[in-house]
Amino acid sequence: GESVGLHLPTLSVQEGDNSIINCAYSNSASDYFIWYKQESGKGPQFIIDIRSNMDKRQGQRVTVLLNKTVKHLSLQIAATQPGDSAVYFCAENGNFGNEKLTFGTGTRLTIIP
Amino acid sequence: DGGITQSPKYLFRKEGQNVTLSCEQNLNHDAMYWYRQDPGQGLRLIYYSQIVNDFQKGDIAEGYSVSREKKESFPLTVTSAQKNPTAFYLCASSITLFYNEQFFGPGTRLTVL
Repeated sequence: GESVGLHLPTLSVQEGDNSIINCAYSNSASDYFIWYKQESGKGPQFIIDIRSNMDKRQGQRVTVLLNKTVKHLSLQIAATQPGDSAVYFCAENGNFGNEKLTFGTGTRLTIIP
Repeated sequence: DGGITQSPKYLFRKEGQNVTLSCEQNLNHDAMYWYRQDPGQGLRLIYYSQIVNDFQKGDIAEGYSVSREKKESFPLTVTSAQKNPTAFYLCASSITLFYNEQFFGPGTRLTVL
């Protein structure tokens, strides 16, 4: 079946450095991708999304890169802060919204002061 | 403030009991969802609703039931038929079904004693 996975389950980054979180997907028909941030005991929070007609999208301190050739998605967080410590996971769906979102298991990002 | 709320935050249930988890949104979203989150796993879809008085089973609907009598409300009942109900339950909503950002509530942690 189709799956969304992450390359690394944990990532530790020094405060102020940039971080990159990766996500691989296997459904070549996927056309919408979202990154969520989830703090302990809370619901996921939308960070940024990207559609398949783009390969890069920037937000405030975050950038999402999409490489459809290798089916890879990444989230870059610039100048990390202690508040960035959380679990980050990607989600994708395909067929122009006729399919449910498939969620990855998440990467735990820890910012070291 | 617009948003999505869930109650209670923590819920304890004895085996054999049914319990109902509340989810309310004031975002005027048509679509609503219930997910289950277990450690080390991605979110799994229990039920979803595209519009009032309509709902569909997700991937793990067995032992759960829902209703959608009002646009704002999408309660989830965890029945005694659900064999492993201890989990973190997340409700979400979106403007349209699947193809837009899903906004999540804060979650309900259900523990079966």
